[in-house]
Amino acid sequence: NAGVTQTPKFRVLKTGQSMTLLCAQDMNHEYMYWYRQDPGMGLRLIHYSVGEGTTAKGEVPDGYNVSRLKKQNFLLGLESAAPSQTSVYFCASSPSGGNFFYEQYFGPGTRLTVT
Amino acid sequence: AQSVTQLGSHVSVSEGALVLLRCNYSSSVPPYLFWYVQYPNQGLQLLLKYTTGATLVKGINGFEAEFKKSETSFHLTKPSAHMSDAAEYFCAVTIGSYQLIWGAGTKLIIKP
Repeated sequence: NAGVTQTPKFRVLKTGQSMTLLCAQDMNHEYMYWYRQDPGMGLRLIHYSVGEGTTAKGEVPDGYNVSRLKKQNFLLGLESAAPSQTSVYFCASSPSGGNFFYEQYFGPGTRLTVT
Repeated sequence: AQSVTQLGSHVSVSEGALVLLRCNYSSSVPPYLFWYVQYPNQGLQLLLKYTTGATLVKGINGFEAEFKKSETSFHLTKPSAHMSDAAEYFCAVTIGSYQLIWGAGTKLIIKP
């Protein structure tokens, strides 16, 4: 049981390049989230998904797109990277009910630098 | 709008001393409350949570927190700090059925 995994762990992009971050979970969770973490700002929600085939915008969605084609995977895309997107990106998942409802389980993060 | 405030971006305590990390929230409905810990270069890990029932909640690694509705607070405490407690701690509150609002985090520094 790997929990939540993220690929890649590190990436350096040039301004204008595109990339996709992959998040996978093996806990059969309905809900998945993408956050970015910047110093002194806590976690900010980029996009989230409440089930396969559904996505929604969070607090800071501009410049990002997401897809949830399979329940276990949640992809975050950067179409044209900008230096302001330099951050640490975390994926999380949570169940939709039961005793662990609302608990979010996090991946190890992807450190992205845009030059 | 719901919000979470963590007082102090950095808290420094001596090894063996009491740890107190403060969290206040604003919410129009009874919240669920969480504390997460993040060790350097790692993801976040759940320390403890309050949903309903007993207002004093015990978590992992000797931490506990008390939900005080009248003070809209959920402060995190540990009687005796250990060097391994050095990390960043985040308080979070539910704002609906599937989203959390996060505090900005408090870095706990342990002095030998």
